[in-house]
Amino acid sequence: EAGVVQSPRYKIIEKKQPVAFWCNPISGHNTLYWYLQNLGQGPELLIRYENEEAVDDSQLPKDRFSAERLKGVDSTLKIQPAELGDSAVYLCASSNYPDTQYFGPGTRLTVL
Amino acid sequence: DAKTTQPTSMDCAEGRAANLPCNHSTISGNEYVYWYRQIHSQGPQYIIHGLKNNETNEMASLIITEDRKSSTLILPHATLRDTAVYYCIAALFTGGGNKLTFGTGTQLKVEL
Repeated sequence: EAGVVQSPRYKIIEKKQPVAFWCNPISGHNTLYWYLQNLGQGPELLIRYENEEAVDDSQLPKDRFSAERLKGVDSTLKIQPAELGDSAVYLCASSNYPDTQYFGPGTRLTVL
Repeated sequence: DAKTTQPTSMDCAEGRAANLPCNHSTISGNEYVYWYRQIHSQGPQYIIHGLKNNETNEMASLIITEDRKSSTLILPHATLRDTAVYYCIAALFTGGGNKLTFGTGTQLKVEL
């Protein structure tokens, strides 16, 4: 069984540029999560989807971050415009209630 | 979610058992104890979880004290590939997804 797929694995951009990350969850998983992981810290939840609906986006900085999960499968996380402090690893995870979350490899973003 | 406390780092000799402690003295009756690990430059990997009873799978054993205020993850025969950050998390299932609040974890270093 294929795991959670994320792309790109690495992204380098200049500040004020837009950037997007893509996630394909494990087949059949209806819940999808985006996490942010700063260096030396554990992951922090940004948003959780159940099918197409964002059911917990309280930690998503909505002034510059947006996410979508069309058709309840793949998801895209966007930052516009990116700031220096957004340099981090962006992780996607999926689960099928009430089961465990499984994580992708992450996208490492560097903002110059 | 209950806060968990883990040692910052631990060392273990290859082939020996690695015992990773976790304190979760404020855990509620319906919170599960989850363990994940994160090898450098990878996403977190699920290891094991439990509610009250001890659990064992192909990766590890989880020992939860009777009062549920602490637990121990046991890797029976540690190898160099087990070097990673290990996260202990107390998590609830909340309407379709489980919320994982990561701390900074324990850096386990397995040495020859």
